[in-house]
Parts: sequence; structure tokens; C-alpha cells
Amino acid sequence: DAMVIQNPRYQVTQFGKPVTLSCSQTLNHNVMYWYQQKSSQAPKLLFHYYDKDFNNEADTPDNFQSRRPNTSFCFLDIRSPGLGDAAMYLCATSGGTSGHNEQFFGPGTRLTVL
Amino acid sequence: GENVEQHPSTLSVQEGDSAVIKCTYSDSASNYFPWYKQELGKGPQLIIDIRSNVGEKKDQRIAVTLNKTAKHFSLHITETQPEDSAVYFCAASYYGNNRLAFGKGNQVVVIP
Repeated sequence: DAMVIQNPRYQVTQFGKPVTLSCSQTLNHNVMYWYQQKSSQAPKLLFHYYDKDFNNEADTPDNFQSRRPNTSFCFLDIRSPGLGDAAMYLCATSGGTSGHNEQFFGPGTRLTVL
Repeated sequence: GENVEQHPSTLSVQEGDSAVIKCTYSDSASNYFPWYKQELGKGPQLIIDIRSNVGEKKDQRIAVTLNKTAKHFSLHITETQPEDSAVYFCAASYYGNNRLAFGKGNQVVVIP
């Protein structure tokens, strides 16, 4: 089945220790998104790639970076995680025949910062 | 930018009854309105969506209605079952915009 895959599902890191979360997709969608979701809140868009074009949200901290080496993979790098960065991180994709409005989410990575 | 409001924040229903969640949006240019269901510890799942060229769309026990004049859209779940218990998010966007504006979410609890 075509899908969005996130690894790992659970990640524990230490305060200030860089961490990378990964996302892959078999949908061949040209847009990939990273969201941060804290408890009882809606997903908050951090940035997205339209093909290779990177689009950062104005309020995304510099501590968050992203890489998209090819169509299928996208990475979220948190350079110096703080306690406030503990959250669920969601990857999503859109594009293809479904158009760019429909977004399909992965299962998420739950990040814990000690 | 677009602002989406979602009401009520929590909804409890008896199994078998109907549940309705309403969202309002601010940007008249919005023409795409999806609904996502998120179960605990999982990513949001797209369950139904509607575009502004139609007023209602149904898929088995779920339906979405859209009132463009009043700028609101609603999710209707009939014959609710315990597995319908989840957080439901509405969102709005317009064609060509890669971003979705989400509502704050609604916790639906189906009481067996």
C-alpha cells in the first residue's frame, strides 16, 4: 500500500543533543510537510518542500532544519532540542493526482527531551 | 490569513446517536475543506473532504455539509460507534495553496 512512513516512532534525546527524524513516502507526491503537534493542539506547520523548493514558516525557530535529498525522503533536524520541543512530529505529503490540497499524514514520531 | 474555528471542543454522545461538529472559516477564497480523525498516538487520517462546488458529500456514516454564504461547514456522523471516539480536526485551504488552516480540534467520546 502507498503510504507515509516515519522512523522512529518514538525518539528520546537529551537537552541540547541534536536529533534527526525521518520520513519516507511511496505516494510519489511532490510536496512534503513537517508539522509539530503538542498535546491537545492542532498540528502546527514548520515547513514544507514543493519538490526541491524549501518553504519555511515565518515563526519556525532556526533550531529546526530540514533536508529533502530525493522525492521519497525528507528529514527533520533539531539542532539543539529544548524541553519545549518535546512533541509529536508529523510528516505529511500532498500532490500527484489528488492535487495539492489533500494531505496524507504519517503515524508521527513522539519526541521526548530529557 | 485564514482562521478556522471549531465547536464544540468536546462532544459526548451515546452509541447509536448522531454527532455534529461545526467549523467556521474567515477567508472567502477558501474552497477546500477536509476533515481529519486522529486517534490517540496516531497521525491524523483524512476521512472526508468537500470542495466549494458542492454543498454536501456523504461516505457511509459520515457526511460533510458546506454553507459558503455563512462560511461554515459541518461533519455529521450517524449511528455512532465506540471506534468513532477520537479527535476530529477541520481545516480549510484554497486551490493552489499548499497550506491547510486547522481548527483546534474536537474530542468526540462515544459512550457504549
